[in-house]
Amino acid sequence: AQRVTQPEKLLSVFKGAPVELKCNYSYSGSPELFWYVQYSRQRLQLLLRHISRESIKGFTADLNKGETSFHLKKPFAQEEDSAMYYCALAFTGANNLFFGTGTRLTVIP
Amino acid sequence: KAGVTQTPRYLIKTRGQQVTLSCSPISGHRSVSWYQQTPGQGLQFLFEYFSETQRNKGNFPGRFSGRQFSNSRSEMNVSTLELGDSALYLCASSLDGTGDYGYTFGSGTRLTVV
Repeated sequence: AQRVTQPEKLLSVFKGAPVELKCNYSYSGSPELFWYVQYSRQRLQLLLRHISRESIKGFTADLNKGETSFHLKKPFAQEEDSAMYYCALAFTGANNLFFGTGTRLTVIP
Repeated sequence: KAGVTQTPRYLIKTRGQQVTLSCSPISGHRSVSWYQQTPGQGLQFLFEYFSETQRNKGNFPGRFSGRQFSNSRSEMNVSTLELGDSALYLCASSLDGTGDYGYTFGSGTRLTVV
């Protein structure tokens, strides 16, 4: 069965420090992976997806099929990055997302 | 263009009652999927509709049902409410339901069952 694991429920980093939010998945096929972010009192919104290989707000994520990981990284954290981050997986041809349990990132000024 | 609209924003119901939630997708999007978000279980998929047909269903009891209209608007119904149904219900709009075009979420309906 497909599963998405985000091992850290809470993550705190200082402003300007690098940040990495971990995401591991289990799926035997070719997954489509996403990172969604939910800022305080705002709706869940797409941050990035692996097929577009773009960098949004300084965040990047690389799909590592060998390690079945899709970690989210940013070299220098900003206070406005404080939010809840969800890793999500859609398997080929599917029409729904499987979400991880989320990681709450707090950037300390 | 307008985003995904969910109504109502908040609902308080008592155990045993039923409730209907509404979701209007982005214009031109034909897929609407529903998710339940709770502190304990996180985000869980309920079901997905495309062109008025349910294509996929998550692992929820039959008390949870939905439908989609010809204008792509979708409703979700929960009958015989239980305390554990208290949650934020999110709907997501997509062009065709696959990950190719991404999913856009609404602000959600917060349901409280007392």
